[in-house]
Formats: sequence, C-alpha cells, structure tokens
Amino acid sequence: RKEVEQDPGPFNVPEGATVAFNCTYSNSASQSFFWYRQDCRKEPKLLMSVYSSGNEDGRFTAQLNRASQYISLLIRDSKLSDSATYLCVVNFSGGSYIPTFGRGTSLIVHP
Amino acid sequence: DAGITQSPRYKITETGRQVTLMCHQTWSHSYMFWYRQDLGHGLRLIYYSAAADITDKGEVPDGYVVSRSKTENFPLTLESATRSQTSVYFCASSDGSSGGDEQFFGPGTRLTVL
Repeated sequence: RKEVEQDPGPFNVPEGATVAFNCTYSNSASQSFFWYRQDCRKEPKLLMSVYSSGNEDGRFTAQLNRASQYISLLIRDSKLSDSATYLCVVNFSGGSYIPTFGRGTSLIVHP
Repeated sequence: DAGITQSPRYKITETGRQVTLMCHQTWSHSYMFWYRQDLGHGLRLIYYSAAADITDKGEVPDGYVVSRSKTENFPLTLESATRSQTSVYFCASSDGSSGGDEQFFGPGTRLTVL
C-alpha cells in the first residue's frame, strides 16, 4: 500500500465547474505538504504549498486535515488550461527528508 | 543558464550496458533527488542527497548508483541496464534546510532499454 494515495481519475468537468481532489497519507510524522501540477510529458511544477491553516491562491484552495491525514485541493471556475495531472506530495520527517508523491489525479476540463 | 538541467534528454541503450544520466543545478541547492516515472506508479524516488558526499536510498534504488562529489551535480548510473529500467527519469533540487521546501525539476530524460 502506497503511503500517499490519490484517486487517479480522470475527473472530466466542464469549464466553470468547481472540482476537488483529496490525497490521503499514512505516516503521521509527515512534516510538509504540497500540490504539484504536471502537464503531459513535462516536469512537475509546484502549484501550492499546503499549510495547517489552509491557503488560497486565486481560484485554488488547499487544505490540510492532520487528524484525518488528508490534504485537499479545490479548483473553482475551471479553465481549459487547468487540464493536467495534479500530484500530491508529502514530506516525511524522522531524521531524513523523504518526499513521497502520490500517483496523481488527472483533470480534464472541456468546453 | 540558471536552473536545473538534465542530459541526455533522450537515450536508447541495450540491456547490460552502463548508462549515466546527468543532472546539474546552478542554485547551490543542498538537496537533490532522482525519480523515475512510470504509468501506474507515478513518481518514485530512487536516490536523494542532502549535501555533497551524502547520498541515501529512496523507494526503488536497486540497479542504480549515484554520487555527489560537487553540490551542483548529481549523476545517476545504471550499472547494467535492464528493460524494466525503461522510464522517464526526473532530477530535482531543493534548498531544503528544513527539508520541507519546494522541489525544482529538470525536464526529464526518456530512457529506453532494448
């Protein structure tokens, strides 16, 4: 069982829709959390960090629930350009810095 | 050019050959990482390095060797390539003094082992 789990999708939504992804992690010693975006055959790029208090960047909102060990990403007013794979990353502490990626959630925004 | 680069971008080799993938970053980031990405598995950590001369195994280290004699370079060597090592390889770096910083990825190397 992978330590970071994501629903692979694809999530197929119309432009303007609101869509949410969750990511669960198994290690309670997890230290930091991120969402990355990966376009087809390209390198992943940071979308946003996830803070305990939650954070928002334009149409994107990320939240962390430590008690239930999951993070979420909400995208409002979806654009065609939001079509991509969204990767959840969890950094585990405990003497070493070990980032673990989820397998990613595919989003397809259609006209 | 500033940033993180990988070479070669594409490589075709044969089973049993030694292959070295290069990674170079210009930010003097302390952490560097090697991942492989395969359909159905996502990104999996092969090796990482917290500083020059310090390396450690990730999730899938078997069949790979790394070194880090200089902060800016982190080559990955496949000592005897196998078909199962056909994959896309990404190098990344992070200025992770606390271990929790953003990773910057290179463009990837697409390796095919025949």
